[in-house]
Amino acid sequence: DGGITQSPKYLFRKEGQNVTLSCEQNLNHDAMYWYRQDPGQGLRLIYYSQIVNDFQKGDIAEGYSVSREKKESFPLTVTSAQKNPTAFYLCASSIDRVNTEAFFGQGTRLTVV
Amino acid sequence: KQEVTQIPAALSVPEGENLVLNCSFTDSAIYNLQWFRQDPGKGLTSLLLIQSSQREQTSGRLNASLDKSSGRSTLYIAASQPGDSATYLCAVSSAGNNRKLIWGLGTSLAVNP
Repeated sequence: DGGITQSPKYLFRKEGQNVTLSCEQNLNHDAMYWYRQDPGQGLRLIYYSQIVNDFQKGDIAEGYSVSREKKESFPLTVTSAQKNPTAFYLCASSIDRVNTEAFFGQGTRLTVV
Repeated sequence: KQEVTQIPAALSVPEGENLVLNCSFTDSAIYNLQWFRQDPGKGLTSLLLIQSSQREQTSGRLNASLDKSSGRSTLYIAASQPGDSATYLCAVSSAGNNRKLIWGLGTSLAVNP
């Protein structure tokens, strides 16, 4: 089945730790995105990538980092610099940056303990 | 600056009713508009995408319309079922080089048996 796979589904982080969220797609899409979802707020864009080895900051990139070494993979690292990391994180992809029909993974819920 | 508003924020209806969810946007220069469904704790599922040149799209019991001049889209759900209970989100992709998706906060729908 074609789609986007996020793992893990639930993730717990201690204060001061970096954690990495995985996102893999087999849709052959060029563009990939990371969003953060908090109660009462719309989806906010963290980072996006239009092509392999390229990525751009979104609206709330501080405290996060990404890489795009392979077309299929776009991992997100939540660093210790992110002061309020507890949230639901969603990965998405689209054919390219022009064709913006977005397809989403099932999300990762990150909790700081 | 594009802003997207969804009204109502929550809706509760008895099974079998036809219902309309609203999405309004402030800048009519859009590339497309997408409707998504989100179940609690899950990712987003794409329902319908309307290109800026289209007036409506249909999929099964769902019909989405677009009126760019008035900055409105409606999602019509016919013969609602308890399985339709979810949050419905709309997102607008702006015309021009920056195709970033701008999100509404969603309408939480409960269909009661």
